[in-house]
Amino acid sequence: NAGVTQTPKFQVLKTGQSMTLQCAQDMNHEYMSWYRQDPGMGLRLIHYSVGAGITDQGEVPNGYNVSRSTTEDFPLRLLSAAPSQTSVYFCASRVGQAGNSPLHFGNGTRLTVT
Amino acid sequence: DAKTTQPTSMDCAEGRAANLPCNHSTISGNEYVYWYRQIHSQGPQYIIHGLKNNETNEMASLIITEDRKSSTLILPHATLRDTAVYYCIVRVKSNAGKSTFGDGTTLTVKP
Repeated sequence: NAGVTQTPKFQVLKTGQSMTLQCAQDMNHEYMSWYRQDPGMGLRLIHYSVGAGITDQGEVPNGYNVSRSTTEDFPLRLLSAAPSQTSVYFCASRVGQAGNSPLHFGNGTRLTVT
Repeated sequence: DAKTTQPTSMDCAEGRAANLPCNHSTISGNEYVYWYRQIHSQGPQYIIHGLKNNETNEMASLIITEDRKSSTLILPHATLRDTAVYYCIVRVKSNAGKSTFGDGTTLTVKP
């Protein structure tokens, strides 16, 4: 199993550009989520999904869109990039129905918006 | 989900036990305590979790107080590779239970 795979690893955007951060998992996990981590800070939840076709907002959803058309994929879209979105983005997944299973994280996408 | 409080930083001598405390005084009966760690800027790594009873695995031990208001993660023989940020999280046992990360404890293991 590859686990949770995030692409790209690094990205530089200009203000106003849009892009999609990809996240895929091969563990058949129902639950997937996106976090951002600013320098020296903890992780903040952006959006999450409890299964295909179902998404919900986390703590900091503004400026981001998500969709979940398959169990495996959970892309994060930046609609119009802003310097405040410069951060490291982590995708995570876990078994949903068990309720008490741990999160599995990808290695992150490092985004810089100039 | 209940909030947690952790010290900002701790030091530990290599080979000694590292005891990392976490306060979760508002935890409710259906919330689990989870511990993760993050080495450098890698994705966080799961360590251990528990509900009421103490737990042990190959990485660490988790001690939860009887009233469940606090817990301690124990790394029995810390090595330099255990230097990381450690996060204590409480999460409801449900399909939609969200994990809210605070700023964690930066553990530095010194030779």
